[in-house]
Amino acid sequence: GENVEQHPSTLSVQEGDSAVIKCTYSDSASNYFPWYKQELGKRPQLIIDIRSNVGEKKDQRIAVTLNKTAKHFSLHITETQPEDSAVYFCAASRGSSGDKLTFGTGTRLAVRP
Amino acid sequence: EPEVTQTPSHQVTQMGQEVILRCVPISNHLYFYWYRQILGQKVEFLVSFYNNEISEKSEIFDDQFSVERPDGSNFTLKIRSTKLEDSAMYFCASSERWETQYFGPGTRLLVL
Repeated sequence: GENVEQHPSTLSVQEGDSAVIKCTYSDSASNYFPWYKQELGKRPQLIIDIRSNVGEKKDQRIAVTLNKTAKHFSLHITETQPEDSAVYFCAASRGSSGDKLTFGTGTRLAVRP
Repeated sequence: EPEVTQTPSHQVTQMGQEVILRCVPISNHLYFYWYRQILGQKVEFLVSFYNNEISEKSEIFDDQFSVERPDGSNFTLKIRSTKLEDSAMYFCASSERWETQYFGPGTRLLVL
């Protein structure tokens, strides 16, 4: 089955700096890659997603890149703010109806004011 | 904006007892899921459900687990005889068709 690796496990940046989180996946049939943000004790919230027919997607300060050949995808957060502090999970799915999400192990991002 | 809701928010039970976790998916969604997250770990898939049938289940979802859609709005996860290792946050999710899954706020289950 699918295996998703995520790095780093923790990341501390100064407010205003950029943060990059990287994930690799194993199943070449995966073609949908969402990123979720989870604040302490809260539900995972989708922040951005990308499909395999797209190499990059951007939404304001957040961008995701996908390299399907290398089976890796990354989350980029620019101009970080303290409210970006949370745990970020990448996930992968085959993208068919009802397909499960396989999550990475999470990255705890701390943005220092 | 519609959201997935879950009850209860917290559940404490004794080992061996049955628990039922309840979810109300977003109303026009057709696909339903249960995931769990042991404290400090990643979110793990348990089961997916469509058209009143289980679509897929993980190795975690053994005979002690069952799911049901008892009416047009609720989606439940039952654990028949809880074990200490069942202590976790359980998330329900739903999706309209494929792709985007929306998560509920979770039920924190503690088995003593």
